[in-house]
Amino acid sequence: KQEVTQIPAALSVPEGENLVLNCSFTDSAIYNLQWFRQDPGKGLTSLLLIQSSQREQTSGRLNASLDKSSGRSTLYIAASQPGDSATYLCAVRGLAGYSTLTFGKGTMLLVSP
Amino acid sequence: NAGVTQTPKFRVLKTGQSMTLLCAQDMNHEYMYWYRQDPGMGLRLIHYSVGEGTTAKGEVPDGYNVSRLKKQNFLLGLESAAPSQTSVYFCASSFGRTGDIGELFFGEGSRLTVL
Repeated sequence: KQEVTQIPAALSVPEGENLVLNCSFTDSAIYNLQWFRQDPGKGLTSLLLIQSSQREQTSGRLNASLDKSSGRSTLYIAASQPGDSATYLCAVRGLAGYSTLTFGKGTMLLVSP
Repeated sequence: NAGVTQTPKFRVLKTGQSMTLLCAQDMNHEYMYWYRQDPGMGLRLIHYSVGEGTTAKGEVPDGYNVSRLKKQNFLLGLESAAPSQTSVYFCASSFGRTGDIGELFFGEGSRLTVL
């Protein structure tokens, strides 16, 4: 059974810092990996989708990398802003039972002005 | 473009009552999902559907039923609500066909309290 772990569970940084959020998964046979953002009381917003054949994806100040062999993905946020404060979740779609995703429990990020 | 819409957004039920949550998507997606999110438990898959007329069980299906009579709609039913079903429910959808599955889009959530 796929297990997805996100470390740290919570992170507090001052505005302007570059930061890295980590996601690890136990089964490297994945179809793709997706990073989401969730604001309090809201739904999940898709940030980046990385296919299993890709190494990284970029969108604005966000860069996500994927190392399938080691079962890891990182989300890099450059020049963090208070508006980046949210919970960030990663989800892995497996090859077996390819139509479902396994979610991590998220990293709660607080960026202080 | 509305995306994924869930109704109702809030509901309070008494133990034993029944209700249906409606999810509608306007992106012509094949795959639809119902999740529940609880503190400390993360997101857990209840049921999902890979196409009109099909449904399958997820991780925590007990106490729930679903139907996908139309491609754009995915209904989640609670026949006899229990306090353990107090949660925030999220619907999601994605493009999908064999060998090609897209990113997942979520609704805003439905907060259900069972007294």
